[in-house]
Amino acid sequence: GAGVSQTPSNKVTEKGKYVELRCDPISGHTALYWYRQSLGQGPEFLIYFQGTGAADDSGLPNDRFFAVRPEGSVSTLKIQRTERGDSAVYLCASSRTGGAGEKLFFGSGTQLSVL
Amino acid sequence: AQRVTQPEKLLSVFKGAPVELKCNYSYSGSPELFWYVQYSRQRLQLLLRHISRESIKGFTADLNKGETSFHLKKPFAQEEDSAMYYCALLYGGATNKLIFGTGTLLAVQP
Repeated sequence: GAGVSQTPSNKVTEKGKYVELRCDPISGHTALYWYRQSLGQGPEFLIYFQGTGAADDSGLPNDRFFAVRPEGSVSTLKIQRTERGDSAVYLCASSRTGGAGEKLFFGSGTQLSVL
Repeated sequence: AQRVTQPEKLLSVFKGAPVELKCNYSYSGSPELFWYVQYSRQRLQLLLRHISRESIKGFTADLNKGETSFHLKKPFAQEEDSAMYYCALLYGGATNKLIFGTGTLLAVQP
């Protein structure tokens, strides 16, 4: 089937606005991850879901960032009061069970630009 | 603290030349390391993991705990190897959490 799908592919917003980024994982994958990649950097871990619950949100930079996965499939990353420093590519990945060392399947990312 | 270092932002070689992409890590536990690759206009994807001790597309990587390194090697580079390569360290304990290096862009010239 299809791989990890992320929408939108590009999002331009103004400082202070609210944005939502969506991730549709590979069907049947119970584990879902959000990473953020700033220009010139490698992906940086944000949050990991096992099923519907956030098993590890230690990478979220502050309380403006929040993510949900209410039915254990699609996930939404929500950013409130956006700042210019939030501009980055937001990557979603999924894996079959979330076991340590399991292969991650990445989406194409959402390029977020905060003006 | 855990850290992954890729010292080269860009590595340019000629087709047929050997390639070595450097990766060093800092981790207090038993490390598990990976190489991910992103070809132009494609998604980030797993290339290889050290526990599998496999060769993928002619690439190999050996974990050297003494030197805390996990360099990626290929004896004869091909133009289709041109891509961004990221070294990654598993650091989440029982969870599948990775810390990535800053990446090395490999450019293979004809």
